[in-house]
Amino acid sequence: SQQGEEDPQALSIQEGENATMNCSYKTSINNLQWYRQNSGRGLVHLILIRSNEREKHSGRLRVTLDTSKKSSSLLITASRAADTASYFCATDGGFQKLVFGTGTRLLVSP
Amino acid sequence: GAGVSQSPSNKVTEKGKDVELRCDPISGHTALYWYRQSLGQGLEFLIYFQGNSAPDKSGLPSDRFSAERTGGSVSTLTIQRTQQEDSAVYLCASSFRKASPLHFGNGTRLTVT
Repeated sequence: SQQGEEDPQALSIQEGENATMNCSYKTSINNLQWYRQNSGRGLVHLILIRSNEREKHSGRLRVTLDTSKKSSSLLITASRAADTASYFCATDGGFQKLVFGTGTRLLVSP
Repeated sequence: GAGVSQSPSNKVTEKGKDVELRCDPISGHTALYWYRQSLGQGLEFLIYFQGNSAPDKSGLPSDRFSAERTGGSVSTLTIQRTQQEDSAVYLCASSFRKASPLHFGNGTRLTVT
Protein backbone atom coordinates (compact mmCIF):
# COMPACT_ATOMS: atom_id res chain seq x y z
CA SER A 1 0.00 0.00 0.00
CA GLN A 2 1.17 3.49 -0.78
CA GLN A 3 -0.52 5.08 2.21
CA GLY A 4 1.59 7.06 4.61
CA GLU A 5 1.29 7.21 8.34
CA GLU A 6 1.62 10.26 10.53
CA ASP A 7 2.73 10.33 14.10
CA PRO A 8 1.80 11.25 16.63
CA GLN A 9 -1.89 10.60 16.06
CA ALA A 10 -2.66 13.50 18.39
CA LEU A 11 -0.59 16.35 19.77
CA SER A 12 -1.54 18.87 22.43
CA ILE A 13 0.64 21.95 23.05
CA GLN A 14 0.46 25.51 24.38
CA GLU A 15 0.44 28.63 22.24
CA GLY A 16 3.96 29.75 21.39
CA GLU A 17 5.39 26.22 21.43
CA ASN A 18 6.57 24.41 18.33
CA ALA A 19 4.67 21.45 16.90
CA THR A 20 6.37 18.66 15.00
CA MET A 21 4.51 16.01 13.03
CA ASN A 22 6.09 13.12 11.18
CA CYS A 23 5.04 11.20 8.10
CA SER A 24 6.37 7.85 6.92
CA TYR A 25 5.56 6.36 3.54
CA LYS A 26 6.27 3.13 1.69
CA THR A 27 6.87 3.75 -2.00
CA SER A 28 9.14 5.99 -4.04
CA ILE A 29 7.76 9.48 -4.59
CA ASN A 30 7.92 12.37 -7.01
CA ASN A 31 6.75 14.78 -4.36
CA LEU A 32 5.22 14.85 -0.90
CA GLN A 33 2.56 17.32 0.18
CA TRP A 34 1.15 18.49 3.49
CA TYR A 35 -2.46 19.51 4.00
CA ARG A 36 -4.53 20.93 6.83
CA GLN A 37 -8.15 20.13 7.63
CA ASN A 38 -10.51 22.05 9.87
CA SER A 39 -13.84 20.74 11.07
CA GLY A 40 -13.74 17.49 9.09
CA ARG A 41 -14.44 19.16 5.75
CA GLY A 42 -12.24 20.14 2.81
CA LEU A 43 -8.48 20.06 3.09
CA VAL A 44 -6.22 22.99 2.32
CA HIS A 45 -2.82 22.56 0.69
CA LEU A 46 0.06 23.86 2.81
CA ILE A 47 3.33 22.95 1.13
CA LEU A 48 4.83 20.65 -1.50
CA ILE A 49 8.36 19.27 -1.35
CA ARG A 50 9.94 17.49 -4.29
CA SER A 51 11.93 14.29 -3.96
CA ASN A 52 15.19 16.10 -4.77
CA GLU A 53 14.62 18.69 -2.01
CA ARG A 54 15.58 18.18 1.62
CA GLU A 55 13.96 21.17 3.29
CA LYS A 56 11.39 23.80 2.47
CA HIS A 57 10.00 26.79 4.34
CA SER A 58 6.73 28.68 4.10
CA GLY A 59 6.08 31.29 6.78
CA ARG A 60 6.00 29.46 10.13
CA LEU A 61 6.08 26.08 8.41
CA ARG A 62 9.21 24.02 7.83
CA VAL A 63 9.11 20.71 6.02
CA THR A 64 11.96 18.24 5.76
CA LEU A 65 12.21 15.17 3.57
CA ASP A 66 14.49 12.16 3.95
CA THR A 67 13.93 9.87 0.97
CA SER A 68 16.42 7.30 2.28
CA LYS A 69 14.22 6.83 5.34
CA LYS A 70 10.99 7.45 3.45
CA SER A 71 9.96 10.06 5.98
CA SER A 72 9.03 13.71 6.24
CA SER A 73 8.37 16.09 9.08
CA LEU A 74 6.27 19.23 9.38
CA LEU A 75 7.32 21.81 11.95
CA ILE A 76 4.99 24.64 12.93
CA THR A 77 6.89 27.28 14.88
CA ALA A 78 5.38 29.64 17.47
CA SER A 79 2.02 27.89 17.27
CA ARG A 80 -1.26 29.72 17.67
CA ALA A 81 -4.71 28.56 18.75
CA ALA A 82 -5.78 29.02 15.12
CA ASP A 83 -3.35 26.26 14.12
CA THR A 84 -5.64 23.73 15.79
CA ALA A 85 -6.57 21.31 13.02
CA SER A 86 -5.74 17.92 11.55
CA TYR A 87 -2.64 17.69 9.40
CA PHE A 88 -2.12 15.12 6.65
CA CYS A 89 0.74 14.18 4.40
CA ALA A 90 0.09 12.93 0.87
CA THR A 91 2.41 11.03 -1.43
CA ASP A 92 2.19 10.45 -5.16
CA GLY A 93 3.85 7.04 -5.35
CA GLY A 94 6.17 8.19 -8.11
CA PHE A 95 3.87 10.42 -10.14
CA GLN A 96 0.79 8.30 -9.51
CA LYS A 97 -2.39 9.13 -7.62
CA LEU A 98 -2.15 11.12 -4.38
CA VAL A 99 -2.72 8.99 -1.30
CA PHE A 100 -3.11 10.48 2.15
CA GLY A 101 -1.76 9.40 5.48
CA THR A 102 -3.73 8.85 8.64
CA GLY A 103 -3.31 12.39 9.98
CA THR A 104 -2.20 14.13 13.17
CA ARG A 105 -4.77 16.00 15.26
CA LEU A 106 -3.13 19.12 16.67
CA LEU A 107 -4.64 21.03 19.60
CA VAL A 108 -3.08 24.36 20.51
CA SER A 109 -4.33 25.77 23.79
CA PRO A 110 -4.25 29.51 24.57
CA GLY B 1 -12.57 32.25 -9.44
CA ALA B 2 -14.84 29.51 -8.13
CA GLY B 3 -13.36 26.64 -6.19
CA VAL B 4 -14.39 22.99 -6.23
CA SER B 5 -18.12 22.70 -5.66
CA GLN B 6 -19.85 19.62 -4.28
CA SER B 7 -23.55 18.94 -4.00
CA PRO B 8 -25.48 18.19 -1.98
CA SER B 9 -23.61 19.26 1.15
CA ASN B 10 -25.64 16.81 3.21
CA LYS B 11 -27.61 13.75 2.18
CA VAL B 12 -29.70 11.47 4.34
CA THR B 13 -30.95 8.32 2.68
CA GLU B 14 -32.52 5.04 3.64
CA LYS B 15 -30.58 1.81 3.47
CA GLY B 16 -30.99 0.21 0.06
CA LYS B 17 -31.55 3.45 -1.85
CA ASP B 18 -29.20 4.73 -4.56
CA VAL B 19 -27.47 8.12 -4.20
CA GLU B 20 -25.60 10.41 -6.59
CA LEU B 21 -22.99 12.87 -5.40
CA ARG B 22 -21.82 15.63 -7.70
CA CYS B 23 -18.50 17.41 -8.05
CA ASP B 24 -17.76 20.50 -10.14
CA PRO B 25 -13.98 20.87 -10.33
CA ILE B 26 -12.05 24.05 -11.04
CA SER B 27 -12.17 24.84 -14.75
CA GLY B 28 -9.09 23.59 -16.59
CA HIS B 29 -8.07 21.09 -13.94
CA THR B 30 -7.19 17.79 -15.56
CA ALA B 31 -7.07 15.63 -12.44
CA LEU B 32 -10.08 14.80 -10.27
CA TYR B 33 -10.19 12.64 -7.16
CA TRP B 34 -12.85 11.20 -4.90
CA TYR B 35 -11.98 10.34 -1.31
CA ARG B 36 -14.06 9.10 1.60
CA GLN B 37 -13.53 10.06 5.23
CA SER B 38 -15.23 8.42 8.17
CA LEU B 39 -15.56 10.34 11.43
CA GLY B 40 -12.15 11.06 12.93
CA GLN B 41 -10.35 8.98 10.32
CA GLY B 42 -7.98 9.65 7.45
CA LEU B 43 -8.86 9.98 3.78
CA GLU B 44 -9.61 6.78 1.92
CA PHE B 45 -8.84 7.00 -1.82
CA LEU B 46 -11.74 5.95 -4.02
CA ILE B 47 -11.12 6.90 -7.65
CA TYR B 48 -8.87 9.14 -9.76
CA PHE B 49 -9.47 10.68 -13.19
CA GLN B 50 -6.55 12.14 -15.14
CA GLY B 51 -7.28 13.80 -18.47
CA ASN B 52 -8.51 11.33 -21.05
CA SER B 53 -6.83 8.33 -19.45
CA ALA B 54 -8.80 5.43 -18.04
CA PRO B 55 -9.69 6.21 -14.42
CA ASP B 56 -7.88 4.53 -11.55
CA LYS B 57 -10.74 2.73 -9.79
CA SER B 58 -8.54 0.73 -7.44
CA GLY B 59 -9.98 2.35 -4.30
CA LEU B 60 -13.67 1.67 -4.92
CA PRO B 61 -14.74 -0.57 -2.00
CA SER B 62 -17.34 -2.62 -3.90
CA ASP B 63 -19.18 -2.84 -7.21
CA ARG B 64 -21.96 -0.76 -5.65
CA PHE B 65 -19.71 2.25 -6.16
CA SER B 66 -19.13 3.85 -9.55
CA ALA B 67 -18.07 7.22 -10.86
CA GLU B 68 -17.90 9.02 -14.14
CA ARG B 69 -16.48 12.27 -15.36
CA THR B 70 -18.26 13.78 -18.31
CA GLY B 71 -16.45 15.97 -20.82
CA GLY B 72 -13.41 16.12 -18.59
CA SER B 73 -15.29 18.31 -16.15
CA VAL B 74 -18.19 17.44 -13.83
CA SER B 75 -18.00 14.13 -11.97
CA THR B 76 -20.72 12.04 -10.37
CA LEU B 77 -20.12 9.38 -7.73
CA THR B 78 -22.96 6.88 -7.54
CA ILE B 79 -23.56 4.49 -4.67
CA GLN B 80 -26.15 1.82 -5.32
CA ARG B 81 -28.10 -0.02 -2.63
CA THR B 82 -26.56 2.06 0.14
CA GLN B 83 -25.50 0.41 3.39
CA GLN B 84 -25.01 1.97 6.82
CA GLU B 85 -21.25 1.54 6.51
CA ASP B 86 -21.34 3.89 3.52
CA SER B 87 -22.05 6.77 5.92
CA ALA B 88 -19.12 9.17 5.68
CA VAL B 89 -18.02 12.48 4.21
CA TYR B 90 -17.24 12.15 0.51
CA LEU B 91 -14.60 14.61 -0.63
CA CYS B 92 -13.83 15.65 -4.19
CA ALA B 93 -10.61 17.38 -5.21
CA SER B 94 -9.10 18.59 -8.45
CA SER B 95 -5.67 19.71 -9.57
CA PHE B 96 -4.18 21.42 -12.60
CA ARG B 97 -2.15 18.36 -13.54
CA LYS B 98 -0.96 15.06 -12.17
CA ALA B 99 0.69 15.31 -8.74
CA SER B 100 -0.04 19.05 -8.43
CA PRO B 101 -1.54 20.44 -5.22
CA LEU B 102 -5.17 19.49 -4.78
CA HIS B 103 -8.07 21.88 -4.32
CA PHE B 104 -10.80 20.31 -2.21
CA GLY B 105 -14.53 20.85 -2.11
CA ASN B 106 -16.31 21.01 1.23
CA GLY B 107 -17.58 17.47 0.85
CA THR B 108 -20.93 15.71 0.98
CA ARG B 109 -21.88 14.25 4.34
CA LEU B 110 -23.81 11.05 3.60
CA THR B 111 -25.89 9.45 6.31
CA VAL B 112 -27.53 6.10 5.63
CA THR B 113 -30.32 5.27 8.07
